[in-house]
Amino acid sequence: SQTIHQWPATLVQPVGSPLSLECTVEGTSNPNLYWYRQAAGRGLQLLFYSVGIGQISSEVPQNLSASRPQDRQFILSSKKLLLSDSGFYLCAWSPGTGVTYEQYFGPGTRLTVT
Amino acid sequence: QKEVEQNSGPLSVPEGAIASLNCTYSDRGSQSFFWYRQYSGKSPELIMSIYSNGDKEDGRFTAQLNKASQYVSLLIRDSQPSDSATYLCAVNQPPGGYNKLIFGAGTRLAVHP
Repeated sequence: SQTIHQWPATLVQPVGSPLSLECTVEGTSNPNLYWYRQAAGRGLQLLFYSVGIGQISSEVPQNLSASRPQDRQFILSSKKLLLSDSGFYLCAWSPGTGVTYEQYFGPGTRLTVT
Repeated sequence: QKEVEQNSGPLSVPEGAIASLNCTYSDRGSQSFFWYRQYSGKSPELIMSIYSNGDKEDGRFTAQLNKASQYVSLLIRDSQPSDSATYLCAVNQPPGGYNKLIFGAGTRLAVHP
């Protein structure tokens, strides 16, 4: 069965500090990978998605970036955090083949920028 | 702009009743529809998917889809306090969207004993 991991689970960082969040998927190959952000009491905002190694698409302009150095690894980064970057960051995967579109989420990272 | 709309709630139902959650979407080209359950402080969990018009049942959950009306719903029978959560409706972005989903903001369900 497939498993998706995210770490760290929680993070408190000062404004202007760098960020690196990691997501890994087990039990599947060539998944599509996604990064979402959920602000308090809000819906899910898609930040980045990837259909393969080194292939990253950005959904919204911001000071975040993403990378996919390996097939089942997805990293979210920032050089300098802003207060508005606080939120619940979720990584998700979906099958890379077939015609279904279901996505499965990791446990998330709660980021507080102070 | 493609949208998925849900009533934010809270929807309050007594234990044992049927909870009815509704969702409308704007893009007629969407073909795949999902319901996720999100407990407070946790990540969303996929509970139902539906691809064809009509009803799809899974245990106490029934998803209903009406593409002509661009409407999808989730019924929860015999509601339990453990069903109290936010329910997110998600719709696929039509061809060219690389399996992207558009999420509604969610409906908060509260089941009281």
